[in-house]
Amino acid sequence: EDQVTQSPEALRLQEGESSSLNCSYTVSGLRGLFWYRQDPGKGPEFLFTLYSAGEEKEKERLKATLTKKESFLHITAPKPEDSATYLCAVQATGDSWGKLQFGAGTQVVVTP
Amino acid sequence: DGGITQSPKYLFRKEGQNVTLSCEQNLNHDAMYWYRQDPGQGLRLIYYSQIVNDFQKGDIAEGYSVSREKKESFPLTVTSAQKNPTAFYLCASSTQTGGRRNYGYTFGSGTRLTVV
Repeated sequence: EDQVTQSPEALRLQEGESSSLNCSYTVSGLRGLFWYRQDPGKGPEFLFTLYSAGEEKEKERLKATLTKKESFLHITAPKPEDSATYLCAVQATGDSWGKLQFGAGTQVVVTP
Repeated sequence: DGGITQSPKYLFRKEGQNVTLSCEQNLNHDAMYWYRQDPGQGLRLIYYSQIVNDFQKGDIAEGYSVSREKKESFPLTVTSAQKNPTAFYLCASSTQTGGRRNYGYTFGSGTRLTVV
């Protein structure tokens, strides 16, 4: 059975204190791994897609990396506006319907 | 601007009542999805559709129903058979169909449903 596990569940950072979020996945074959940001009471907002091990993508203070079993979302020198829940999702090669399976998310709070 | 519109933003349901959540997209996406989000849990798939007049049950379809009469619209009905409907409901769409690579979902802003 396909599984996506995110850790930690919650993370509290001081402004400027860099850290990493983890997304571990178990799928028969990976077609794509996705990162989303979700603010309270809103729909998730797309950040990155990674397709193969070794791939990296960056956007402002965020950098996503992918290995064969996990992905990391690195937050460099975070600011209070980076506070949000970060969701990881995977699409398996065995799924022909394009469905994504989501982890439970990591809630990040950045304090000034 | 293209996007997905969900309405209403807040919805209150009485016991034994059916309610319908609206989802409309103008992105010309083929695939549409409904997810349910509860605190501390990941998004769980309720129903999905790749083409008009066709849809499939997701992991938690019991107590829900959908229709796909138009490409742009994918309404979700929460029936009285759903015993614990209080949750945040998210609609999404994507360009991927069949077995090809998914380029990611675009989400609506969500509907918060509360049983009163």
